[in-house]
Amino acid sequence: GENVEQHPSTLSVQEGDSAVIKCTYSDSASNYFPWYKQELGKRPQLIIDIRSNVGEKKDQRIAVTLNKTAKHFSLHITETQPEDSAVYFCAASIPGGGADGLTFGKGTHLIIQP
Amino acid sequence: EAQVTQNPRYLITVTGKKLTVTCSQNMNHEYMSWYRQDPGLGLRQIYYSMNVEVTDKGDVPEGYKVSRKEKRNFPLILESPSPNQTSLYFCASRPGGSYNEQFFGPGTRLTVL
Repeated sequence: GENVEQHPSTLSVQEGDSAVIKCTYSDSASNYFPWYKQELGKRPQLIIDIRSNVGEKKDQRIAVTLNKTAKHFSLHITETQPEDSAVYFCAASIPGGGADGLTFGKGTHLIIQP
Repeated sequence: EAQVTQNPRYLITVTGKKLTVTCSQNMNHEYMSWYRQDPGLGLRQIYYSMNVEVTDKGDVPEGYKVSRKEKRNFPLILESPSPNQTSLYFCASRPGGSYNEQFFGPGTRLTVL
């Protein structure tokens, strides 16, 4: 099955700086890569996603890049703000088959230092 | 309001006492899943369902059962809970097909003594 590795497990950045979280996946058939944000005590919520036919996608201060050859994708947050503090999960999805495809990474705790 | 609901939100129980955590969605989604979240281990899928009467094991199904008799409901059953099932549980749903956002319920924090 699919295996998703996520790094780092904890990331501390100064407010206003950029943050980058990286994920690798094992199954080249994966074609959908969402990122979820989980604030303390809350449920995970989708913040951005990318399909395998696209190399980069941006939404205001967040962007995701995908390198299919290397089987890795990254989340980039620019001009970080206190409300960006949360746990971020990457995931990869394999289409079709019998499985409901999302496999999650173990999460990155992003801490924004004032 | 489109949502996924879970009940109870918090539960403390004892080893061996059967319990059910309910999950309901009002978005007519085909896919529903249960995850458990543990520190350092992320979100691990327990069971999933692709439609009514169609369920299958995820990555960590041992000690759990599910049923999908109606499209909107997907209860998680612990027949004989053990302390290693102490965890935060999330139900989730999404439309069928690829590339669709998964919506999570608010979570159920279970403690088994």
